[in-house]
Amino acid sequence: DAGITQSPRYKITETGRQVTLMCHQTWSHSYMFWYRQDLGHGLRLIYYSAAADITDKGEVPDGYVVSRSKTENFPLTLESATRSQTSVYFCALKDSLSTDTQYFGPGTRLTVL
Amino acid sequence: AQRVTQPEKLLSVFKGAPVELKCNYSYSGSPELFWYVQYSRQRLQLLLRHISRESIKGFTADLNKGETSFHLKKPFAQEEDSAMYYCALLTGGGNKLTFGTGTQLKVEL
Repeated sequence: DAGITQSPRYKITETGRQVTLMCHQTWSHSYMFWYRQDLGHGLRLIYYSAAADITDKGEVPDGYVVSRSKTENFPLTLESATRSQTSVYFCALKDSLSTDTQYFGPGTRLTVL
Repeated sequence: AQRVTQPEKLLSVFKGAPVELKCNYSYSGSPELFWYVQYSRQRLQLLLRHISRESIKGFTADLNKGETSFHLKKPFAQEEDSAMYYCALLTGGGNKLTFGTGTQLKVEL
Protein backbone atom coordinates (compact mmCIF):
# COMPACT_ATOMS: atom_id res chain seq x y z
CA ASP A 1 0.00 0.00 0.00
CA ALA A 2 2.88 2.37 0.61
CA GLY A 3 3.58 2.14 -3.11
CA ILE A 4 0.78 4.51 -3.96
CA THR A 5 0.54 8.00 -2.51
CA GLN A 6 -1.79 10.91 -3.03
CA SER A 7 -1.21 14.57 -2.36
CA PRO A 8 -2.51 16.67 -0.85
CA ARG A 9 -4.52 14.58 1.58
CA TYR A 10 -6.85 17.50 2.34
CA LYS A 11 -7.61 20.55 0.24
CA ILE A 12 -10.00 23.44 0.59
CA THR A 13 -10.47 25.70 -2.40
CA GLU A 14 -12.94 28.18 -3.81
CA THR A 15 -15.30 27.96 -6.72
CA GLY A 16 -13.61 28.76 -10.00
CA ARG A 17 -10.07 27.97 -8.91
CA GLN A 18 -7.88 25.39 -10.58
CA VAL A 19 -6.88 22.46 -8.40
CA THR A 20 -4.52 19.58 -9.14
CA LEU A 21 -4.55 16.35 -7.21
CA MET A 22 -1.50 14.15 -7.54
CA CYS A 23 -1.22 10.38 -7.58
CA HIS A 24 2.21 8.79 -7.46
CA GLN A 25 3.31 5.16 -7.54
CA THR A 26 6.67 3.70 -6.67
CA TRP A 27 5.95 0.59 -8.71
CA SER A 28 5.58 0.51 -12.50
CA HIS A 29 1.98 -0.58 -12.80
CA SER A 30 0.51 0.20 -16.16
CA TYR A 31 -3.03 1.10 -15.23
CA MET A 32 -3.99 4.04 -13.06
CA PHE A 33 -7.47 5.22 -12.18
CA TRP A 34 -9.19 8.18 -10.58
CA TYR A 35 -12.44 7.70 -8.67
CA ARG A 36 -14.61 10.02 -6.66
CA GLN A 37 -16.46 8.78 -3.62
CA ASP A 38 -19.79 10.36 -2.67
CA LEU A 39 -22.52 9.31 -0.28
CA GLY A 40 -25.30 7.60 -2.15
CA HIS A 41 -23.15 7.08 -5.23
CA GLY A 42 -20.33 4.88 -4.03
CA LEU A 43 -17.21 5.17 -6.14
CA ARG A 44 -17.44 6.44 -9.69
CA LEU A 45 -14.67 6.29 -12.25
CA ILE A 46 -13.54 9.69 -13.55
CA TYR A 47 -10.63 8.84 -15.83
CA TYR A 48 -8.16 6.05 -16.27
CA SER A 49 -4.87 5.47 -18.02
CA ALA A 50 -3.54 2.28 -19.54
CA ALA A 51 0.03 3.56 -19.91
CA ALA A 52 2.00 6.77 -20.26
CA ASP A 53 0.31 9.14 -22.73
CA ILE A 54 -2.80 6.94 -22.91
CA THR A 55 -5.89 8.13 -21.06
CA ASP A 56 -9.60 7.52 -21.37
CA LYS A 57 -12.83 8.77 -19.87
CA GLY A 58 -14.72 6.99 -17.18
CA GLU A 59 -18.26 7.45 -15.96
CA VAL A 60 -18.04 11.08 -14.74
CA PRO A 61 -15.25 12.91 -16.63
CA ASP A 62 -16.87 16.34 -17.06
CA GLY A 63 -14.96 19.13 -15.34
CA TYR A 64 -11.78 17.09 -14.98
CA VAL A 65 -8.56 16.82 -16.97
CA VAL A 66 -5.83 14.21 -16.65
CA SER A 67 -2.40 13.65 -18.07
CA ARG A 68 0.20 10.92 -17.81
CA SER A 69 3.56 12.01 -19.12
CA LYS A 70 5.35 9.60 -16.77
CA THR A 71 4.28 6.11 -15.79
CA GLU A 72 4.55 6.85 -12.08
CA ASN A 73 2.40 10.00 -11.97
CA PHE A 74 -1.25 10.54 -12.81
CA PRO A 75 -2.42 14.05 -11.88
CA LEU A 76 -6.08 14.99 -11.87
CA THR A 77 -6.90 18.65 -12.54
CA LEU A 78 -10.12 20.49 -11.85
CA GLU A 79 -9.79 23.40 -14.24
CA SER A 80 -12.52 25.50 -12.62
CA ALA A 81 -13.69 23.89 -9.40
CA THR A 82 -17.40 23.76 -8.58
CA ARG A 83 -19.14 22.90 -5.32
CA SER A 84 -20.44 19.69 -6.85
CA GLN A 85 -16.83 18.53 -7.06
CA THR A 86 -16.54 18.45 -3.29
CA SER A 87 -15.72 14.81 -2.71
CA VAL A 88 -13.12 12.29 -1.68
CA TYR A 89 -10.88 11.35 -4.57
CA PHE A 90 -9.15 7.98 -4.77
CA CYS A 91 -6.39 6.95 -7.10
CA ALA A 92 -5.94 3.25 -7.90
CA LEU A 93 -3.43 1.06 -9.72
CA LYS A 94 -3.56 -2.19 -11.59
CA ASP A 95 -0.79 -4.26 -13.06
CA SER A 96 -1.31 -5.10 -16.72
CA LEU A 97 -0.55 -8.71 -15.90
CA SER A 98 -3.26 -8.85 -13.26
CA THR A 99 -6.76 -9.45 -14.45
CA ASP A 100 -8.56 -7.93 -11.55
CA THR A 101 -7.11 -6.46 -8.37
CA GLN A 102 -6.91 -2.70 -8.07
CA TYR A 103 -4.88 -1.13 -5.27
CA PHE A 104 -6.15 2.11 -3.85
CA GLY A 105 -4.39 5.17 -2.52
CA PRO A 106 -5.28 6.85 0.80
CA GLY A 107 -7.56 9.42 -0.82
CA THR A 108 -7.75 13.21 -1.03
CA ARG A 109 -10.60 15.02 0.67
CA LEU A 110 -11.46 18.07 -1.44
CA THR A 111 -13.84 20.80 -0.32
CA VAL A 112 -14.93 23.48 -2.77
CA LEU A 113 -16.45 26.52 -1.09
CA ALA B 1 -25.14 -1.02 -19.32
CA GLN B 2 -23.63 -2.65 -16.28
CA ARG B 3 -25.02 -1.92 -12.86
CA VAL B 4 -24.33 -2.99 -9.28
CA THR B 5 -27.02 -2.64 -6.64
CA GLN B 6 -26.52 -2.73 -2.90
CA PRO B 7 -30.00 -2.20 -1.49
CA GLU B 8 -28.99 -1.52 2.10
CA LYS B 9 -27.24 1.73 3.01
CA LEU B 10 -26.85 0.65 6.62
CA LEU B 11 -26.90 -2.75 8.24
CA SER B 12 -26.75 -3.01 12.00
CA VAL B 13 -26.20 -6.36 13.73
CA PHE B 14 -25.17 -7.55 17.15
CA LYS B 15 -21.81 -9.13 17.81
CA GLY B 16 -21.99 -12.85 17.16
CA ALA B 17 -24.98 -12.59 14.85
CA PRO B 18 -24.83 -13.69 11.21
CA VAL B 19 -24.21 -11.05 8.56
CA GLU B 20 -25.40 -10.91 4.97
CA LEU B 21 -24.62 -7.92 2.78
CA LYS B 22 -26.61 -8.01 -0.42
CA CYS B 23 -25.28 -7.33 -3.90
CA ASN B 24 -27.07 -7.73 -7.21
CA TYR B 25 -25.62 -6.99 -10.60
CA SER B 26 -26.73 -6.42 -14.16
CA TYR B 27 -24.26 -7.24 -16.90
CA SER B 28 -24.54 -8.85 -20.32
CA GLY B 29 -21.09 -10.40 -20.23
CA SER B 30 -19.48 -12.97 -17.96
CA PRO B 31 -19.32 -11.31 -14.54
CA GLU B 32 -16.26 -10.99 -12.35
CA LEU B 33 -17.25 -9.68 -8.95
CA PHE B 34 -15.43 -8.38 -5.92
CA TRP B 35 -16.02 -7.14 -2.43
CA TYR B 36 -13.96 -4.19 -1.20
CA VAL B 37 -13.92 -2.98 2.40
CA GLN B 38 -13.15 0.48 3.74
CA TYR B 39 -12.48 0.86 7.45
CA SER B 40 -13.01 4.25 9.00
CA ARG B 41 -10.96 6.89 7.17
CA GLN B 42 -8.77 4.29 5.48
CA ARG B 43 -8.23 3.33 1.87
CA LEU B 44 -10.28 0.68 0.12
CA GLN B 45 -8.94 -2.84 0.38
CA LEU B 46 -9.85 -5.89 -1.61
CA LEU B 47 -11.73 -8.30 0.64
CA LEU B 48 -12.42 -11.11 -1.76
CA ARG B 49 -13.14 -11.98 -5.37
CA HIS B 50 -15.45 -14.62 -6.65
CA ILE B 51 -12.97 -16.36 -8.93
CA SER B 52 -10.71 -17.34 -6.05
CA ARG B 53 -13.58 -18.73 -3.93
CA GLU B 54 -11.65 -17.87 -0.80
CA SER B 55 -12.67 -16.94 2.71
CA ILE B 56 -11.13 -13.80 4.12
CA LYS B 57 -11.63 -12.75 7.74
CA GLY B 58 -14.45 -15.28 7.90
CA PHE B 59 -16.34 -13.71 4.99
CA THR B 60 -17.50 -15.67 1.97
CA ALA B 61 -19.44 -14.78 -1.14
CA ASP B 62 -20.93 -17.02 -3.79
CA LEU B 63 -21.76 -15.92 -7.28
CA ASN B 64 -25.31 -16.89 -8.20
CA LYS B 65 -25.72 -16.28 -11.91
CA GLY B 66 -29.38 -17.29 -11.88
CA GLU B 67 -30.22 -14.63 -9.32
CA THR B 68 -27.43 -12.29 -10.52
CA SER B 69 -26.28 -11.94 -6.95
CA PHE B 70 -23.01 -11.94 -5.04
CA HIS B 71 -24.01 -11.61 -1.40
CA LEU B 72 -21.34 -11.34 1.29
CA LYS B 73 -21.81 -13.52 4.35
CA LYS B 74 -20.22 -14.14 7.70
CA PRO B 75 -21.64 -16.52 10.30
CA PHE B 76 -20.59 -14.55 13.39
CA ALA B 77 -20.06 -10.79 13.24
CA GLN B 78 -17.16 -9.21 15.13
CA GLU B 79 -16.83 -5.64 16.28
CA GLU B 80 -13.86 -5.12 13.96
CA ASP B 81 -16.07 -5.92 10.97
CA SER B 82 -17.69 -2.51 11.28
CA ALA B 83 -16.85 -0.77 7.99
CA MET B 84 -18.19 0.28 4.61
CA TYR B 85 -18.48 -2.58 2.15
CA TYR B 86 -18.57 -2.13 -1.61
CA CYS B 87 -19.53 -4.70 -4.19
CA ALA B 88 -17.84 -4.18 -7.56
CA LEU B 89 -18.17 -5.59 -11.06
CA LEU B 90 -15.24 -5.81 -13.46
CA THR B 91 -16.00 -4.61 -16.98
CA GLY B 92 -14.29 -2.75 -19.81
CA GLY B 93 -12.11 -5.64 -20.87
CA GLY B 94 -10.94 -6.21 -17.33
CA ASN B 95 -9.89 -2.63 -16.71
CA LYS B 96 -12.87 -0.92 -15.14
CA LEU B 97 -14.64 -1.49 -11.86
CA THR B 98 -18.28 -0.52 -11.46
CA PHE B 99 -19.07 -0.08 -7.79
CA GLY B 100 -22.29 -0.32 -5.87
CA THR B 101 -23.28 2.50 -3.55
CA GLY B 102 -21.94 0.66 -0.53
CA THR B 103 -23.37 -0.74 2.70
CA GLN B 104 -22.24 0.54 6.08
CA LEU B 105 -22.02 -2.40 8.47
CA LYS B 106 -22.26 -1.60 12.15
CA VAL B 107 -21.61 -4.35 14.65
CA GLU B 108 -22.98 -3.54 18.06
CA LEU B 109 -21.92 -5.08 21.33
